[in-house]
Amino acid sequence: AQTVTQSQPEMSVQEAETVTLSCTYDTSESNYYLFWYKQPPSRQMILVIRQEAYKQQNATENRFSVNFQKAAKSFSLKISDSQLGDTAMYFCAFIFTSGTYKYIFGTGTRLKVLA
Amino acid sequence: DVKVTQSSRYLVKRTGEKVFLECVQDMDHENMFWYRQDPGLGLRLIYFSYDVKMKEKGDIPEGYSVSREKKERFSLILESASTNQTSMYLCASSLGAAKAFFGQGTRLTVV
Repeated sequence: AQTVTQSQPEMSVQEAETVTLSCTYDTSESNYYLFWYKQPPSRQMILVIRQEAYKQQNATENRFSVNFQKAAKSFSLKISDSQLGDTAMYFCAFIFTSGTYKYIFGTGTRLKVLA
Repeated sequence: DVKVTQSSRYLVKRTGEKVFLECVQDMDHENMFWYRQDPGLGLRLIYFSYDVKMKEKGDIPEGYSVSREKKERFSLILESASTNQTSMYLCASSLGAAKAFFGQGTRLTVV
């Protein structure tokens, strides 16, 4: 079975500091994409960052970067210079690039940025 | 940008009622999804559709059915609502393995 595990249900970080959210996944597929989505209190899911599994280079998007370790099946999200607006639920997800395109999500990490 | 619209933001229904949750996307996406979101359980896939009239069961299809008669519209149906179906329901659409676009969610309460 394909699974995504987020082992940190809740985290907090001081404003302007750095925080890392962890994600591990289990799949026998070799071609897939990985995502981090953010869900603020407004409930609107927003894509934070996307990583193609065939790329060795870690994706970055402004203050957000990932540490992708394919062999270890690990995909952590680093948020630098945390801002109050980063307070949200964060979901890790992956999708295969063959067959039907079905997203599999983790259970989420609730991040609170403290002033 | 792509817009995914869910028909209701909040809904209260009685046990045993037939409930329709509607979702419309405006970007000709082939894939559409219905997820259920519960605290501590994340997003669990109920059903998804990869083309008109085509559907596949997700991880928790029991008690639900879906309909996709037109490409832009994907409906989730609770045949006989029960209190354990009280939850947040999220609709999403995507093109291939590109990012998924989500609706704003429907918080359904079954009393």
